[in-house]
Amino acid sequence: SAVISQKPSRDICQRGTSLTIQCQVDSQVTMMFWYRQQPGQSLTLIATANQGSEATYESGFVIDKFPISRPNLTFSTLTVSNMSPEDSSIYLCSGGNQETQYFGPGTRLLVL
Amino acid sequence: TQLLEQSPQFLSIQEGENLTVYCNSSSVFSSLQWYRQEPGEGPVLLVTVVTGGEVKKLKRLTFQFGDARKDSSLHITAAQPGDTGLYLCGGTSYGKLTFGQGTILTVHP
Repeated sequence: SAVISQKPSRDICQRGTSLTIQCQVDSQVTMMFWYRQQPGQSLTLIATANQGSEATYESGFVIDKFPISRPNLTFSTLTVSNMSPEDSSIYLCSGGNQETQYFGPGTRLLVL
Repeated sequence: TQLLEQSPQFLSIQEGENLTVYCNSSSVFSSLQWYRQEPGEGPVLLVTVVTGGEVKKLKRLTFQFGDARKDSSLHITAAQPGDTGLYLCGGTSYGKLTFGQGTILTVHP
C-alpha cells in the first residue's frame, strides 16, 4: 500500500489568483493522478501526472489552467491557475500501480 | 470512453439490515476497486478484485467481480451506523481509474 499526503488541506482564495497543491507519496509509485470532486459526488479525473514529462489531460482540462509537475516517483504538484468561484472543489491526488490506486486526504478549495 | 454505472445512488437503511451496491459497465476492466469515503477525507481502498468471478470477503463486506470483468457488487451484511459513507467503485484500464457515480449509504441506529 501507499500513504499519500497533500498540502494544503484547505484554502480560501481570491478570484484571479493561483494555488499550488502538493502531493507526497511515502513510496515509489508507477502512476500518479489528480482528481476533482464535489462533496458527496464521484471523482472526475483531471490528468495523469507523468514523471519527467508533460501531464496527460482529460477532456475538459487544459495545461494552462491546471499545470502539473512530477519531478520524481514520489512527488507531484497541481496548480489551479487564475481561479474563479467555479474552481471551488475538493482536489485529490492518487498514486499506485496498474491495478490499484491510493488516495490522499484531499485539498478543499474555496474561491471567493 | 468507459462508463461505470453505480446503483443505487442513495441508500438509507436501519441498523442490522443487509444491502447490495452494484456497478455495471459494457466495458471490460483489468481490475475493479471499491472505496469508502467519509466527509472531509479521501477515498479509502476497501478491496481490489482482478479475476473474473472472484469473490472477496472483508468481515461483513462481500465483493464480487463478474465473470466477464464488466460488473461488480458490494454486499454488506447486518449494516452498522459505522458503515455510513460514500461508496465508490472504480474500474481500472491501463492504470487509469473510471469511477461510478457513488452510493451514499446512511445506516440509522
